[in-house]
This record gives sequence, C-alpha cells and structure tokens, in this order.
Amino acid sequence: EDKVVQSPLSLVVHEGDTVTLNCSYEVTNFRSLLWYKQEKKAPTFLFMLTSSGIEKKSGRLSSILDKKELFSILNITATQTGDSAIYLCAVKHNDMRFGAGTRLTVKP
Amino acid sequence: DSGVTQTPKHLITATGQRVTLRCSPRSGDLSVYWYQQSLDQGLQFLIQYYNGEERAKGNILERFSAQQFPDLHSELNLSSLELGDSALYFCASSVVGGGETEAFFGQGTRLTVV
Repeated sequence: EDKVVQSPLSLVVHEGDTVTLNCSYEVTNFRSLLWYKQEKKAPTFLFMLTSSGIEKKSGRLSSILDKKELFSILNITATQTGDSAIYLCAVKHNDMRFGAGTRLTVKP
Repeated sequence: DSGVTQTPKHLITATGQRVTLRCSPRSGDLSVYWYQQSLDQGLQFLIQYYNGEERAKGNILERFSAQQFPDLHSELNLSSLELGDSALYFCASSVVGGGETEAFFGQGTRLTVV
C-alpha cells in the first residue's frame, strides 16, 4: 500500500533556530513530491521536486529529494513566528497522497 | 489567491441531509482532487477527476459521490450526512492528472453537521 510518512509530527523551536522536516514515501509510479504550508485554512504550495539532489530554494526555505532512499527534507533557517504552521508533504503518482503533516511551533 | 474557487465557504446542515460542494479549478487545469480534513487530521484523499473522467479513488464513502462537468468544474455530493462527516472539504486542481505539475488548493468548504 502506498505510504507517505512525515516526521516529526510536532516540533517546538525558538525564533532563529533551524529546523529540518522529513518526508519518506513508498509509492508506485512516483512522479513528484510536493511541500505545502497550512496555516488557518487552505494549504499553500511551497515546492515541487521531481529529480534527486537538486535543491529548491525560496528565501529561508529549501528542500531536496532523494529518489534512491525515497525521502525528502524541508529546511527552514532562521525561523520566525510566522513560520508556525502545519507542513504537509504530498506524493504525486496516479493521484496525490498526503502525509499526516508536521506541526511546527516557533516561539518568540 | 490560488485561482481555485470553492463554494460555499460554510455549510451547516442536519443529519440525514444531502449537500453539494462545488469546485472551479484554475483556468487551464484539467484535473481536480477532493480531500477531507477532519479536526486536527491530515488530508484524506477522496477522489480525483481528469478532464471529466474519474481518475483515482481514495477513501470515499459510498454515501459520497462526485463528478466533473464539461466546463471542468466539479461537484462533491454528500448524502445521508452523519455527525462524523463534519470537516473541511478541499479541492485542488492541476494541469494534468499525475505527473510533474503543481496542484493548488481552494479555500475549502467547512461542513458542520448538527
């Protein structure tokens, strides 16, 4: 059965810390992996990864995919309170399945 | 604004009733996904349509059904509603069904069954 597993499920850090969120997957016909940030309402798109080893970067956020080991990481450097959210990982193959998410809390 | 429109934003209905949720995808997107998110839960995949045809099915109850119309908007029908159906229902759209394209979410419909 297809699986998308995120860890940790919950994380509390202080402003300025760097965090690494993990997403591992087991799916057939993998096509891409996507990261989303969910605050109060709808998930907002962060990154899409299709190739191993190519880092995607946007400001303080970056992400990379390892298709051999079947995982991806999302890094956030110099965290701010506005980074507090649930971070969701999704894998697209025949459809699009999500992991349970990592709830990140950044304290002042 | 993602360009994906969901209506209504909020819906309160009684147990046993039937409701229809609507999703208009971004211009040019052919694929629509439906998800259910219960309180403090992850996004549970319900069903996916591509260009009017059902593409994939997830954990969708038999009381739920969906379709995608020729103009590409999609509707999710929920019937014989139970208290446990109270949740946020999201749709997402992407250009193609699988593959290497991003998917963007609508703002969701919050369904409350009383």
